[in-house]
Amino acid sequence: DAGITQSPRYKITETGRQVTLMCHQTWSHSYMFWYRQDLGHGLRLIYYSAAADITDKGEVPDGYVVSRSKTENFPLTLESATRSQTSVYFCASSDRSSNQPQHFGDGTRLSIL
Amino acid sequence: AQSVTQLDSQVPVFEEAPVELRCNYSSSVSVYLFWYVQYPNQGLQLLLKYLSGSTLVKGINGFEAEFNKSQTSFHLRKPSVHISDTAEYFCAVSDLAGNTPLVFGKGTRLSVIA
Repeated sequence: DAGITQSPRYKITETGRQVTLMCHQTWSHSYMFWYRQDLGHGLRLIYYSAAADITDKGEVPDGYVVSRSKTENFPLTLESATRSQTSVYFCASSDRSSNQPQHFGDGTRLSIL
Repeated sequence: AQSVTQLDSQVPVFEEAPVELRCNYSSSVSVYLFWYVQYPNQGLQLLLKYLSGSTLVKGINGFEAEFNKSQTSFHLRKPSVHISDTAEYFCAVSDLAGNTPLVFGKGTRLSVIA
């Protein structure tokens, strides 16, 4: 089925380790986004991408790295995980421009011990 | 830059009662407005959107919202809620030019009580 899928759905890791969260969409949408969701903060934008090889920082980019070599994939990497990065991460995509409705994946729940 | 304030973090309501979830926004330019719903352990789903035209927007599941430019508000309403409406609701705003991504409010948790 067409859509946006995130993997893994759940991940437990230790501080200092590198972890990569995957996001794949089948719509060929131009824009892709990464958010983190924390209690009391709502959704906060980490990074977004307007097209392959074009990425921009969002509100909370520190400690995260993204890449977009193909339109359909937008992985998010925590190079050295910290406890403060424990969160639920959502990937989203939208067509044509960044102000269009976004389609969300089901999220990755990441716990850093 | 745009910002969104959802005035209530939690709203409890009895089943079959009406509900209003409040959203105010701030922007120096014209905007698009959205409401999303998030059910437990799921991502966000678009409930409705205001892009232009009629200020009363109807969405899925019987929800509607009214854009009020003078009060910079976009409140979400439903005349009679069901247990299945229990979820987190997010208001979001973006500028017409598409220069910046959507800005989300912090969410309102709607709890429908039997």
